Amino acid sequence: DTAVSQTPKYLVTQMGNDKSIKCEQNLGHDTMYWYKQDSKKFLKIMFSYNNKELIINETVPNRFSPKSPDKAHLNLHINSLELGDSAVYFCASSPPAGGRTDTQYFGPGTRLTVL
Amino acid sequence: AQSVTQPDIHITVSEGASLELRCNYSYGATPYLFWYVQSPGQGLQLLLKYFSGDTLVQGIKGFEAEFKRSQSSFNLRKPSVHWSDAAEYFCAVPSGGSQGNLIFGKGTKLSVKP
Repeated sequence: DTAVSQTPKYLVTQMGNDKSIKCEQNLGHDTMYWYKQDSKKFLKIMFSYNNKELIINETVPNRFSPKSPDKAHLNLHINSLELGDSAVYFCASSPPAGGRTDTQYFGPGTRLTVL
Repeated sequence: AQSVTQPDIHITVSEGASLELRCNYSYGATPYLFWYVQSPGQGLQLLLKYFSGDTLVQGIKGFEAEFKRSQSSFNLRKPSVHWSDAAEYFCAVPSGGSQGNLIFGKGTKLSVKP
């Protein structure tokens, strides 16, 4: 009955590879997010999707491509991985709200290590 | 632009002692404010949130926070800390507009001495 789930939990790969991280929420939320947490624990938004449509794309390299097949899923595909991509990636979701200021529910995170 | 400052990078308290973690915000209007906790190796869990109304907000695990508009602060408190409270604590505000994402402070790491 996990609310927001991510797979895999850990991902170790070589530079130059392509990898994907999956996220699913069973909360019926309309909006989903990807955040990146760096080695200093700083959390920053990467992407936001509302009803399968992209509404935020922060200054993220175009090697990162989110895909939302339906509003319960938001996957993150990363091409040509670089050392600097090593981080913890968190998926989150939030319910529909007029001011979009509702609580965000986070997944457990995916620790990506690029060697 | 909205922003959040957590002035303390690392705080150590003794088990059973009281705790206050500081958070200052910069926000154009009446802010919505959140505190999240991240236990080691875990995701983020919402502790409490302030939207409006009573400025003293109660959360889970015995935490509370007080919104003080005059000081632009939303400090997190707990009267008696338990060893299991050792974690990273993040204060956050919405980015504003229609985007809906949160802007996080840099976090305060809490260590608890036995």
